[in-house]
Amino acid sequence: AQRVTQPEKLLSVFKGAPVELKCNYSYSGSPELFWYVQYSRQRLQLLLRHISRESIKGFTADLNKGETSFHLKKPFAQEEDSAMYYCALNSGNTPLVFGKGTRLSVIA
Amino acid sequence: ETGVTQSPTHLIKTRGQQVTLRCSSQSGHNTVSWYQQALGQGPQFIFQYYREEENGRGNFPPRFSGLQFPNYSSELNVNALELDDSALYLCASSRGRGAVTEAFFGQGTRLTVV
Repeated sequence: AQRVTQPEKLLSVFKGAPVELKCNYSYSGSPELFWYVQYSRQRLQLLLRHISRESIKGFTADLNKGETSFHLKKPFAQEEDSAMYYCALNSGNTPLVFGKGTRLSVIA
Repeated sequence: ETGVTQSPTHLIKTRGQQVTLRCSSQSGHNTVSWYQQALGQGPQFIFQYYREEENGRGNFPPRFSGLQFPNYSSELNVNALELDDSALYLCASSRGRGAVTEAFFGQGTRLTVV
């Protein structure tokens, strides 16, 4: 069964510090991995997906199949990055499987 | 392009009652997925509808049922409500069957069962 693990419930960093939100998954095949973000009082929205290999709002994430990880990184955190972040996995004809989420708090 | 809308935004029901939640999918999308998000948890998949047919179901009992209409809007029905059904219910629309490249979420319906 597919599973997504986000080990940190809360991550607090100072403005300008690097950020890394961890995500590990279990799936034997080739998954598609996503990061979704939910800002305060807003709906859940896609931040980025591994197949796009793009940087969104300064965030990047690399799929490491050997370590079954898809960590989200940003070199310099900004206050507007404070939000709830969910890692999600999709494989074949299955729906998205979400982790429990990590709340990122950027302190000024 | 209109986004995904859900109604109502908040709802309070009594244990044992039935509830219907509604979702209008984004223009051009033919797939609707429903998720339950309990407090402090990530969204959990309930079921998905593609072109009016159920296309996959998560680990939820049969008292959770749904419909998709010809205009691709959808309903989630929950019978015999239990206290543990209290959660945020999210609807997501997308294009295509099964595999999702990008899902667009509604703002959710917060259901409280007392």
